[in-house]
Amino acid sequence: NAGVMQNPRHLVRRRGQEARLRCSPMKGHSHVYWYRQLPEEGLKFMVYLQKENIIDESGMPKERFSAEFPKEGPSILRIQQVVRGDSAAYFCASSPGGTRGTEAFFGQGTRLTVV
Amino acid sequence: AQTVTQSQPEMSVQEAETVTLSCTYDTSESDYYLFWYKQPPSRQMILVIRQEAYKQQNATENRFSVNFQKAAKSFSLKISDSQLGDAAMYFCACSLVFGKGTKLTVNP
Repeated sequence: NAGVMQNPRHLVRRRGQEARLRCSPMKGHSHVYWYRQLPEEGLKFMVYLQKENIIDESGMPKERFSAEFPKEGPSILRIQQVVRGDSAAYFCASSPGGTRGTEAFFGQGTRLTVV
Repeated sequence: AQTVTQSQPEMSVQEAETVTLSCTYDTSESDYYLFWYKQPPSRQMILVIRQEAYKQQNATENRFSVNFQKAAKSFSLKISDSQLGDAAMYFCACSLVFGKGTKLTVNP
């Protein structure tokens, strides 16, 4: 049973380019969460999605960032016109049920570097 | 809004000794869960222990246990018989919100 798969593991983008981060949840999981981790800091919640629905996007920056979790395929976190401050590790987690008690299983993260 | 505070950026412990990591939180929800995650240098997030807020009994997983004080909104993690492999960042979480972490060093 494969865990949460994130790709790519490392992504380098020039300022102004678009970054697409993918997350395939564990089999049977319909809830996906995205977090951002800046160097030497904790995980900052960005967005919580279920299939085809955004449940909570209170942690998403208002501009340039978007996320989706289509009926088929992985969840995508998209960052348009990247800036140096977007450089961070982005983690995806998935769970079979809702947010409160279910353990969230994490992927290994995508490290985005903006040059 | 929920907040999670870890007041110890770094802690160290001697191998085989016991260490306690502190965590306080704030939430307006009546039903919630608390977690401790471990992040070793590999950066993989690993669940260490989970506590259901409506349960008074403190959760225990082998050498890891928590001291859950609901009224004080405190959720500390105790690691007994510390091992070199315990060295990592430890994050406390309340539902979806994480603290900033505590870096634990284990000295041989």
